[in-house]
Amino acid sequence: DQQVKQNSPSLSVQEGRISILNCDYTNSMFDYFLWYKKYPAEGPTFLISISSIKDKNEDGRFTVFLNKSAKHLSLHIVPSQPGDSAVYFCAASFLSNFGNEKLTFGTGTRLTIIP
Amino acid sequence: ETGVTQSPTHLIKTRGQQVTLRCSSQSGHNTVSWYQQALGQGPQFIFQYYREEENGRGNFPPRFSGLQFPNYSSELNVNALELDDSALYLCASSPRGGRALNEQFFGPGTRLTVL
Repeated sequence: DQQVKQNSPSLSVQEGRISILNCDYTNSMFDYFLWYKKYPAEGPTFLISISSIKDKNEDGRFTVFLNKSAKHLSLHIVPSQPGDSAVYFCAASFLSNFGNEKLTFGTGTRLTIIP
Repeated sequence: ETGVTQSPTHLIKTRGQQVTLRCSSQSGHNTVSWYQQALGQGPQFIFQYYREEENGRGNFPPRFSGLQFPNYSSELNVNALELDDSALYLCASSPRGGRALNEQFFGPGTRLTVL
């Protein structure tokens, strides 16, 4: 049961344009969402997050949008740069009654920025 | 300040064998989580340790077990290896239990191949 889905395995975008990566989730308990970036031979690196009480969070070139009613979030990168080429993972979590939480990841989208 | 390190980098085992993977947390971090990333998939949560106690577990059988030591380093042990255990195993540390995912840092992973 894939609770976090990234339906686009790959995406190619021209340098300088906007990259939009999408993510859908099914579990209504999720209340915190994160995006990670992963280069080959490295672990995922935290990029940006959003709490379910917000619908938008910005950090420089990166903006995450959350649509709770549609259970959908997206990551916008603008302008896209060659160094943004990587695999991007969407992840979601909720805090359990025991005070712990675990990340549930999507399958990832490979973003390629074309110079 | 050193980051999260994992050893070994690569490992080849045969079916039925046992394996131990190691992780050193980032300095000052007392929480360690382990993830399994199969080829083409996102990381899947195995379990988390907080101050040497297991603090949450994903859908993995008991032959996956772990330890956290007083210096907060950690081990993942897998008994009776199966072919499907072939994956990248990621360790992540964070400065506390509870909600601290945006402060969680991943190691580069150990690539396990089971023949």
